[in-house]
Amino acid sequence: EAQVTQNPRYLITVTGKKLTVTCSQNMNHEYMSWYRQDPGLGLRQIYYSMNVEVTDKGDVPEGYKVSRKEKRNFPLILESPSPNQTSLYFCASSLYPGANTDTQYFGPGTRLTVL
Amino acid sequence: TQLLEQSPQFLSIQEGENLTVYCNSSSVFSSLQWYRQEPGEGPVLLVTVVTGGEVKKLKRLTFQFGDARKDSSLHITAAQPGDTGLYLCAGAEGNKLVFGAGTILRVKS
Repeated sequence: EAQVTQNPRYLITVTGKKLTVTCSQNMNHEYMSWYRQDPGLGLRQIYYSMNVEVTDKGDVPEGYKVSRKEKRNFPLILESPSPNQTSLYFCASSLYPGANTDTQYFGPGTRLTVL
Repeated sequence: TQLLEQSPQFLSIQEGENLTVYCNSSSVFSSLQWYRQEPGEGPVLLVTVVTGGEVKKLKRLTFQFGDARKDSSLHITAAQPGDTGLYLCAGAEGNKLVFGAGTILRVKS
């Protein structure tokens, strides 16, 4: 089954404790992206990657890191989480970014709470 | 980054009613997508509109892209409880998608 998986689905942590949210896709997609979703603000892009070893900042990259060592994986790293990073996070992948007919496939989301 | 405004923010209607949600911008997008998101899940693509004035139908859902490609609408005919969810529009901006804040739709039986 074609899918994007994220782990963990739920995470409660404390300020300053490094954490990683994993994302994996099995569709051989070139493009992967991370979003955060907050009430009233919609989905905002954190980072995206056009291909292996190529990553770029989205609209809200501060406090986050990513890596793309393999095509299928795109982990999101919070080196020193803060309460304002409490949010619902989504990973997405697609085949032809920027193409008018491109479809982004989203993972099920990770709900992060930073105390 | 271009902005997309969706209206209304919330909509609660009875089963069988019709409704329209709107997605507006002051900027032109090369294409616009509509997604639906259910609680506990990620957004799922419903449709992509590309040409100004384009109309696409998906069963009881009708999507329209404005002539100037700055706005779009989603019309649902005879809404059903299964239509309940968050509806998001997204505009293509280079290699990124810019999302609106969404419209929360609740259809009561």
